[in-house]
Amino acid sequence: DQQVKQNSPSLSVQEGRISILNCDYTNSMFDYFLWYKKYPAEGPTFLISISSIKDKNEDGRFTVFLNKSAKHLSLHIVPSQPGDSAVYFCAASLYGGATNKLIFGTGTLLAVQP
Amino acid sequence: KAGVTQTPRYLIKTRGQQVTLSCSPISGHRSVSWYQQTPGQGLQFLFEYFSETQRNKGNFPGRFSGRQFSNSRSEMNVSTLELGDSALYLCASSSGQGGIFRYGYTFGSGTRLTVV
Repeated sequence: DQQVKQNSPSLSVQEGRISILNCDYTNSMFDYFLWYKKYPAEGPTFLISISSIKDKNEDGRFTVFLNKSAKHLSLHIVPSQPGDSAVYFCAASLYGGATNKLIFGTGTLLAVQP
Repeated sequence: KAGVTQTPRYLIKTRGQQVTLSCSPISGHRSVSWYQQTPGQGLQFLFEYFSETQRNKGNFPGRFSGRQFSNSRSEMNVSTLELGDSALYLCASSSGQGGIFRYGYTFGSGTRLTVV
């Protein structure tokens, strides 16, 4: 049962334009959502997170939006740069106070064309 | 400070063999989590260790096991390897105090295991 879904395996965007990566989830008890970026032959690196009590969090070119009623979150990258080309994973947590478990989506490969 | 170190980087094993992977977390981090990454499946949680105790476990068969030492270094072991165990195994470290939800884990570069 895939509780976190990224339905677009890939996305291609022109340099300078906006990239929008989407993620859907099924468990309304998730309390934090995170985005990670992964280059080939490297481990994922943390990008940005959002608490379930907020609907937006911004960090430089990256903004994450959370729509709890639709159980949907998205990552906006503006403007997109060729160095942003990577696989992006969304992840969700169930904070039980004694665990660091994250549930990841299957990833979206972003290609930013120069 | 040094990042998360995983060894070896690449490994080729034969079906039926066993394998041990190692992870050294960031100095001061007491939590180590392991994930399996396969194409089309994303990252699947294996288990988490905190202060030498397994704190959570994913839905993997008992052939997958792990442990953590007093210096926080962790190992995971897979016995009786199957072809389907071919994957990138990622280790992630954090302080274990809940900051993961704001700052995320720090992942190592992973061990690429190929079972033939």
